[in-house]
Amino acid sequence: GAGVSQTPSNKVTEKGKYVELRCDPISGHTALYWYRQSLGQGPEFLIYFQGTGAADDSGLPNDRFFAVRPEGSVSTLKIQRTERGDSAVYLCASSSGGRYTFGSGTRLTVV
Amino acid sequence: KQEVTQIPAALSVPEGENLVLNCSFTDSAIYNLQWFRQDPGKGLTSLLLIQSSQREQTSGRLNASLDKSSGRSTLYIAASQPGDSATYLCAQASGTYKYIFGTGTRLKVLA
Repeated sequence: GAGVSQTPSNKVTEKGKYVELRCDPISGHTALYWYRQSLGQGPEFLIYFQGTGAADDSGLPNDRFFAVRPEGSVSTLKIQRTERGDSAVYLCASSSGGRYTFGSGTRLTVV
Repeated sequence: KQEVTQIPAALSVPEGENLVLNCSFTDSAIYNLQWFRQDPGKGLTSLLLIQSSQREQTSGRLNASLDKSSGRSTLYIAASQPGDSATYLCAQASGTYKYIFGTGTRLKVLA
């Protein structure tokens, strides 16, 4: 597609529930990234995919967070047993030549 | 721990002024530095990417400089316009893919 698409744009879930956030990168971009942005802060790195594999998942905060990219295109960030502290905007980006293109993000609110 | 600091946190200027946003980073082994713009409720738009071998990049009314020895970058905006109002984030990459972001400068240009 023309840009990075993230769905849903907003997600409200109850504490303890499971959520999935989807990212559809720019066609042909092999690199894909997930970042998390809390209010008033800059984005924080979560995970980086090169193709289908997670090349670096060092930013995932704990084992409740998991991400996949089975066919090297669309990626899904999965959060189990959500906690109120998981509330943030989750941003996805893809890149070619180092220059990032970000999606508009998914605003996750855990109540 | 690598850190990126942006000063000022907020800035309000009248239309037409030239202005400078500052970014400092602690990691001297910088790979590249990007400046982003973020509009409320939106993702990030890459404005300028400076490789470690470069000293500056220009795009239209924007000019970004990089001084690795002092750990600083500046974003210069000429002849500011109300449409420039946004949050500006700088981000440092120490490797080929992972960025550390500052907390941003919220700019408001008054008509």
